[in-house]
Amino acid sequence: SQQGEEDPQALSIQEGENATMNCSYKTSINNLQWYRQNSGRGLVHLILIRSNEREKHSGRLRVTLDTSKKSSSLLITASRAADTASYFCATVLINTDKLIFGTGTRLQVFP
Amino acid sequence: DAGITQSPRHKVTETGTPVTLRCHQTENHRYMYWYRQDPGHGLRLIHYSYGVKDTDKGEVSDGYSVSRSKTEDFLLTLESATSSQTSVYFCAISKGMETQYFGPGTRLLVL
Repeated sequence: SQQGEEDPQALSIQEGENATMNCSYKTSINNLQWYRQNSGRGLVHLILIRSNEREKHSGRLRVTLDTSKKSSSLLITASRAADTASYFCATVLINTDKLIFGTGTRLQVFP
Repeated sequence: DAGITQSPRHKVTETGTPVTLRCHQTENHRYMYWYRQDPGHGLRLIHYSYGVKDTDKGEVSDGYSVSRSKTEDFLLTLESATSSQTSVYFCAISKGMETQYFGPGTRLLVL
């Protein structure tokens, strides 16, 4: 079964609005990462948050991590049409060297 | 996609035939990965390598084998292709347990 599950599966918003995506996972992690995938392309790394961090920012991205709830959220502020993509969370489990991906959130931003 | 190439980019083959996909990197990264991406499943790890001749299985390794004889090349072989192996295959590289960099993908159709 998947380690990470994103919620919602799909999200549609207008340009300028904020988009929030959530990720839940099952077992203890070393770090959690978010990736973006434009249609037909490979994944692109967005941000990494370690298990001892609670919040991280990168440009218009804000990621939070709650290890007690085994969950993370990705907030994209002031969204743009170019943010339209699928977003995946991925976790590196403790004592492993593998990255396990969730099923993704499809974000559509309308101009 | 810089520094990672996959070949072929598209392939159509028949059930029962062997297929080899190639991933080539110019970054000298230690880790290389093969994933498959299917609707509703996100990315699933097939096999990965943590050094030349050092490989390990992922979560969906049945029916696949890999080889890494040089740092820069990681080959994925489908010994006898089946229709269930129709998918998009992504190669990724990383220095360690953090950011992974993805190739452009190979679309494989098994008839």
